[in-house]
Amino acid sequence: GDSVTQMEGPVTLSEEAFLTINCTYTATGYPSLFWYVQYPGEGLQLLLKATKADDKGSNKGFEATYRKETTSFHLEKGSVQVSDSAVYFCALSLASGGSYIPTFGRGTSLIVHP
Amino acid sequence: NAGVTQTPKFQVLKTGQSMTLQCAQDMNHNSMYWYRQDPGMGLRLIYYSASEGTTDKGEVPNGYNVSRLNKREFSLRLESAAPSQTSVYFCASLVGLQWGDEQFFGPGTRLTVL
Repeated sequence: GDSVTQMEGPVTLSEEAFLTINCTYTATGYPSLFWYVQYPGEGLQLLLKATKADDKGSNKGFEATYRKETTSFHLEKGSVQVSDSAVYFCALSLASGGSYIPTFGRGTSLIVHP
Repeated sequence: NAGVTQTPKFQVLKTGQSMTLQCAQDMNHNSMYWYRQDPGMGLRLIYYSASEGTTDKGEVPNGYNVSRLNKREFSLRLESAAPSQTSVYFCASLVGLQWGDEQFFGPGTRLTVL
């Protein structure tokens, strides 16, 4: 079946450090790829997405590139802030019988210290 | 435009009690989903509704039932709550018209079963 694997956390960084969170996927078709972010006590919200190979999604200084050849969608940010502390979820979405069934990774907790 | 709303925000039940979690969206989305989130497990799909009038089981449907009351509302019922159902429950919606659409999440319901 379809699956998403992302690095386990927590990832602990100092402010202004470079961030990478790895995400790889297995899919039976050609998926759309997403990163969602969850702040403490809240629901998930879309951070960025990409729908075809070599597309780069970007938002709030975060970036991820859809790499079909390596089935990856790694999240990066050049300089993290304390306010980026949250849980990050990688996800894919495929159409199945007229439905869209997203598959999520287990989430990676990011803690940024001042 | 409230997005996805969930009620209640918190609930404590005793084993064997029943309750219904309510979810509504005002974005005219076709698809709606119920997830549970447990530490280290990420998001697990309980049930989904691809369109008004249809519902399907997800990964962990046992112990739950759902109703797609109309296009806006999708409720989740626990007929006889068990401690294993202690979790945070999220409702989500998606336009469902094209590949690449993202999900919109509610703020969650935090349920404790004693």
